[in-house]
Amino acid sequence: DQQVKQNSPSLSVQEGRISILNCDYTNSMFDYFLWYKKYPAEGPTFLISISSIKDKNEDGRFTVFLNKSAKHLSLHIVPSQPGDSAVYFCAASEKGPGNQFYFGTGTSLTVIP
Amino acid sequence: KAGVTQTPRYLIKTRGQQVTLSCSPISGHRSVSWYQQTPGQGLQFLFEYFSETQRNKGNFPGRFSGRQFSNSRSEMNVSTLELGDSALYLCASSLPLAGVSDNEQFFGPGTRLTVL
Repeated sequence: DQQVKQNSPSLSVQEGRISILNCDYTNSMFDYFLWYKKYPAEGPTFLISISSIKDKNEDGRFTVFLNKSAKHLSLHIVPSQPGDSAVYFCAASEKGPGNQFYFGTGTSLTVIP
Repeated sequence: KAGVTQTPRYLIKTRGQQVTLSCSPISGHRSVSWYQQTPGQGLQFLFEYFSETQRNKGNFPGRFSGRQFSNSRSEMNVSTLELGDSALYLCASSLPLAGVSDNEQFFGPGTRLTVL
């Protein structure tokens, strides 16, 4: 059962515009959320995170929004650049010992020059 | 500081064989997690090791096993390989912040396993 879902397998955006990647989760015990970026033939690299006590976290061009009541988070990239073209995964974990992260299936972002 | 390394990078096996994959975490990291990535399924959590003990386990059959050594290096073993085991196997390490969920994981490049 997929506890973290990314319903859009792909997204194309013009360079300079905003990219919005969405993620939904079902487990209300999740309290920490991350976004990873993955290029082909490389492992995922950490992008940005947010804990459940916040509803927004910003880091340069990247902003993550968390809507706990809707169990929804989104990643905004503004402005989008061709180098942002990659697969983006959202992940979530519960409080407690251990590092069990639940990942979505990924969204492939293409930024068109 | 060196990143997470995984060996081998590519592997081809036949059905029924077994395979062992290796992961060396970032120096100082004591938690190592393993994931299976297949098209359409994203990253599926296999298990996590911390201080040589399996701390968490995902929903995979017993053919998938792992271990961690005293230097935090970890191995993953898959026995009686099936065609469906073909995937990218990723290992991730993180700092030893036990009891805290906000541990950033650093991923290795993965091992691409093909089962024929």
